[in-house]
Amino acid sequence: QLQLQESGPGLVKPSETLSLTCSVSGDSITSSNYWWGWIRQPPGKGLEWIGNIYYSGATYYNPSLKSRVTISVETSKNQFSLRLNSVTAADTAVYYCASHDAAVVNPGDNWGQGTLVTVSS
Amino acid sequence: QSALTQPASLSGSPGQSITISCTGTSSDVGSYNLVSWYQQHPGKAPKLMIYDVSNRPSGVSDRFSGSKSGNAASLTISGLQAEDEADYYCCSYTRSISYVFGTGTKVTVL
Repeated sequence: QLQLQESGPGLVKPSETLSLTCSVSGDSITSSNYWWGWIRQPPGKGLEWIGNIYYSGATYYNPSLKSRVTISVETSKNQFSLRLNSVTAADTAVYYCASHDAAVVNPGDNWGQGTLVTVSS
Repeated sequence: QSALTQPASLSGSPGQSITISCTGTSSDVGSYNLVSWYQQHPGKAPKLMIYDVSNRPSGVSDRFSGSKSGNAASLTISGLQAEDEADYYCCSYTRSISYVFGTGTKVTVL
């Protein structure tokens, strides 16, 4: 059974880069069966899709975040990662990594537990 | 892209049915039959309840059903139970090759 686990710093300073990693177990990150993605949720607010990536390297991003986001796959570690540049307090959120069956179109049918990232000096 | 519009809250008694609406535009909900619904309990990750407008993943109760008409989609919960109390989010694929979530609906079981 596929399992995902987020990891990374819980505190990031304004203007710096937020970096998170999602470790995948139960299948290979290079499997053609899945898309891998990131979704975030500010405290007390709704969900926002950030972007996703396929094993081939194809990536799609939320247009409102596209200029600041990079999602990549690290095949040797069976992980994928998120980088968000020039963060502000508005980027404070619980960040979830997720996967979805490549045959189905949705942000995720299998989610990590989420990790809170606070942007503050 | 703007968030899809959902009612902020709905409530119902055990055994009743409730319907959550999700209104988008011709650039998202109206363009594709690719609407999904998520249930989120406090402090937990969202759980996929419906995909492709009306399909249920394995293990999801048949008390949950989805539909769509034009630029609006809906989720119906039949035979409301205490464990259905949660936040619900709709989500649609968009013409921008991205996803947009709804504003979320808090369901309370009276």
